[in-house]
Amino acid sequence: EAGVVQSPRYKIIEKKQPVAFWCNPISGHNTLYWYLQNLGQGPELLIRYENEEAVDDSQLPKDRFSAERLKGVDSTLKIQPAELGDSAVYLCASSSKGQYQGEQFFGPGTRLTVL
Amino acid sequence: GNSVTQMEGPVTLSEEAFLTINCTYTATGYPSLFWYVQYPGEGLQLLLKATKADDKGSNKGFEATYRKETTSFHLEKGSVQVSDSAVYFCALSDQSRAGKSTFGDGTTLTVKP
Repeated sequence: EAGVVQSPRYKIIEKKQPVAFWCNPISGHNTLYWYLQNLGQGPELLIRYENEEAVDDSQLPKDRFSAERLKGVDSTLKIQPAELGDSAVYLCASSSKGQYQGEQFFGPGTRLTVL
Repeated sequence: GNSVTQMEGPVTLSEEAFLTINCTYTATGYPSLFWYVQYPGEGLQLLLKATKADDKGSNKGFEATYRKETTSFHLEKGSVQVSDSAVYFCALSDQSRAGKSTFGDGTTLTVKP
């Protein structure tokens, strides 16, 4: 089966510009996660969706970050405006309630560089 | 809150050497524990898991045992290969918090021929 798809793989922008990342989860997976991964660190959860509903967005900086998951399938994460400190890898993951407890399937990530 | 602490890297070994990467955790309740591996240019992928105390997860020659008394989940492999070079992440999933996952900072392993 196809894995989690993310695009773009790399993005370079200037500070104060907007940027958007797209994620298509594994077919049938109702849970979708967006993580931030800084260099040398583990993933940190930004937001988790159960179908269309954002059930945990407590770590999402809502002044500049937004996310949506229309129709409960693919999802978009947006940053507006981007800051230098947003340079990182943005990971998308998905999981199914019927599978291994807590196991997540990750996409390759989008590496964002803010100049 | 929950936390995961991994042995700091990087770790460099010769081929066929024994590997141990330490992982300890802090959590309320009874979390599930995982090791994920990230190869260069790829996303994290599940290596093995354990869902209750004394469970042993194993895959591709790697093993880890869920030790509740020491709150540990150390990763071991008896004989590493060059192809095992990657970043390894220990993680927990807290079912009491709706499956919220917490990851360690990762340990980079380099295996030299």
